[in-house]
Amino acid sequence: GQQVMQIPQYQHVQEGEDFTTYCNSSTTLSNIQWYKQRPGGHPVFLIQLVKSGEVKKQKRLTFQFGEAKKNSSLHITATQTTDVGTYFCASHSGNTGKLIFGQGTTLQVKP
Amino acid sequence: KAGVTQTPRYLIKTRGQQVTLSCSPISGHRSVSWYQQTPGQGLQFLFEYFSETQRNKGNFPGRFSGRQFSNSRSEMNVSTLELGDSALYLCASSQGTGQFQPQHFGDGTRLSIL
Repeated sequence: GQQVMQIPQYQHVQEGEDFTTYCNSSTTLSNIQWYKQRPGGHPVFLIQLVKSGEVKKQKRLTFQFGEAKKNSSLHITATQTTDVGTYFCASHSGNTGKLIFGQGTTLQVKP
Repeated sequence: KAGVTQTPRYLIKTRGQQVTLSCSPISGHRSVSWYQQTPGQGLQFLFEYFSETQRNKGNFPGRFSGRQFSNSRSEMNVSTLELGDSALYLCASSQGTGQFQPQHFGDGTRLSIL
């Protein structure tokens, strides 16, 4: 079945450094959604990408969808302690409501 | 607007017992999905309900079942509990079903099996 691989699993950065997490699939994805889960919290929807090569920005966060729709990335510029948490990518399987999640990247930010 | 509400927040059960978890979606949302989250397996899709019908199902044994009521509230049941069922069970709602629907998650029910 459809799988979404996400790397790295963990990332420790100094506050102010940049951070990037990557999602890859062997099959073409219909969409990519990104979620953030704070420690002890629940996943919160950040954004959705649908078009090939799409790039969207939210303040210091930049989301990209690959040209072949098989990969995506989330880049955070100048991390802050409020960015701490686990970032998940996810994609819908086929034309269904079944959402397949990547394993997540846990970001730690040292002040 | 109130968010997704899950009850109870915590549960402790023993092997062989059964458990029922409840989820109330955001008002106006008709789709409810359930996910299991564990440190080893991450977030795994259990099933999705829309208009009281199961629309999609993940790769879980038949011990895991669910239902949705006419007011869109949903329940998930796990029978003959096993140690490996210890996890955070998350419910998520969306306005519609199918692709491109952002999921709005509740705080989850943390289930511990002794």
